Amino acid sequence: EPEVTQTPSHQVTQMGQEVILRCVPISNHLYFYWYRQILGQKVEFLVSFYNNEISEKSEIFDDQFSVERPDGSNFTLKIRSTKLEDSAMYFCASTGGGRETQYFGPGTRLLVL
Amino acid sequence: AQSVTQLGSHVSVSEGALVLLRCNYSSSVPPYLFWYVQYPNQGLQLLLKYTSAATLVKGINGFEAEFKKSETSFHLTKPSAHMSDAAEYFCAVSESDTGNQFYFGTGTSLTVIP
Repeated sequence: EPEVTQTPSHQVTQMGQEVILRCVPISNHLYFYWYRQILGQKVEFLVSFYNNEISEKSEIFDDQFSVERPDGSNFTLKIRSTKLEDSAMYFCASTGGGRETQYFGPGTRLLVL
Repeated sequence: AQSVTQLGSHVSVSEGALVLLRCNYSSSVPPYLFWYVQYPNQGLQLLLKYTSAATLVKGINGFEAEFKKSETSFHLTKPSAHMSDAAEYFCAVSESDTGNQFYFGTGTSLTVIP
């Protein structure tokens, strides 16, 4: 069964450093998403991406964040200068043309020290 | 705007007992509703979904949920809890006409007591 994959599974970084989180969505999906879950809190929407551009973003997704689909398979989330409060689990999701169900990856746990 | 309220951040049931996890939603348009399960240190796995077809939806692992528009609810049930059901459960809503971002509830942690 096709699935969304994410790398790395865990990342530790120093405050102020740049991080890139990688996702490989399901191959025939068209819509891609990033969510985050701060420890003990709910899953929060960050951004959605379609046709090589951002279609929607939340207030969390400020200028420190960017997304890219550098090739036909990867979908990345970049945080330019990490802050302590960026420590969270980051989930990638994708969905097909019907956009009904979002399929989530296993997440990347980011720890900013 | 959409939102989801999950009543009870922690629910404990005995093995073999009924599981009932509550979810109420708010949506200005017909919603799509979802339940996801998250096992420790894992991602979100889709349990079931409502997308305007049958109001009683059956999912994996014996779970089901009923969409009640009059009550704006989408409660998750399972007749008999199993130890392996212990996990975090998230209810989510999206707009049926755009199908874009999901709005998640705060989650309910289910403990199953042997």
